Amino acid sequence: SQKIEQNSEALNIQEGKTATLTCNYTNYSPAYLQWYRQDPGRGPVFLLLIRENEKEKRKERLKVTFDTTLKQSLFHITASQPADSATYLCALDERSNYQLIWGAGTKLIIKP
Amino acid sequence: EAEVAQSPRYKITEKSQAVAFWCDPISGHATLYWYRQILGQGPELLVQFQDESVVDDSQLPKDRFSAERLKGVDSTLKIQPAELGDSAMYLCASSAQTDYTEAFFGQGTRLTVV
Repeated sequence: SQKIEQNSEALNIQEGKTATLTCNYTNYSPAYLQWYRQDPGRGPVFLLLIRENEKEKRKERLKVTFDTTLKQSLFHITASQPADSATYLCALDERSNYQLIWGAGTKLIIKP
Repeated sequence: EAEVAQSPRYKITEKSQAVAFWCDPISGHATLYWYRQILGQGPELLVQFQDESVVDDSQLPKDRFSAERLKGVDSTLKIQPAELGDSAMYLCASSAQTDYTEAFFGQGTRLTVV
């Protein structure tokens, strides 16, 4: 069956360190993979998109990698700050109908 | 900056009652989505519109849920009758029909059925 898996346990990181979140998928062939941030009680906010033919994408302190052989995307936040604490969701697009398929998200906690 | 507007922000209703949610997408966005999100899970697509047409409503419980987007702009999602299991966050999102599908979300409606 088709699945998107993100770490269900919260990730605790010390301020200033790099946080790395994982998104694994099976039985999909995504054209794009996207990462969103969601704060409690709010809708997700788009962060980064990476295409199937791209290996890496960066935006300020954020970096996303995409390995279609491993069927995995890694999301990195460098020089992490307490304000980065949130739930991070990955979503993929199967190219067929502009529809995103979502992971359950990983809660990131940055400790001062 | 353009935003997706949703109302109400919170709704408490008794089971078996009717409830409705409203969404106004970003101007010019042809695609509109309604999602349901249960705490600790990712958004689950209920219905997707392209302009005023339904593209996908395969996950919409049609015996009690209905959605419309009459003029291809704003949209309404209705539940009748509401059940306890419908308690969740209902999110509306929109996207421009470009070569990728970055979605812009509203603040959501937190529904509690008692």
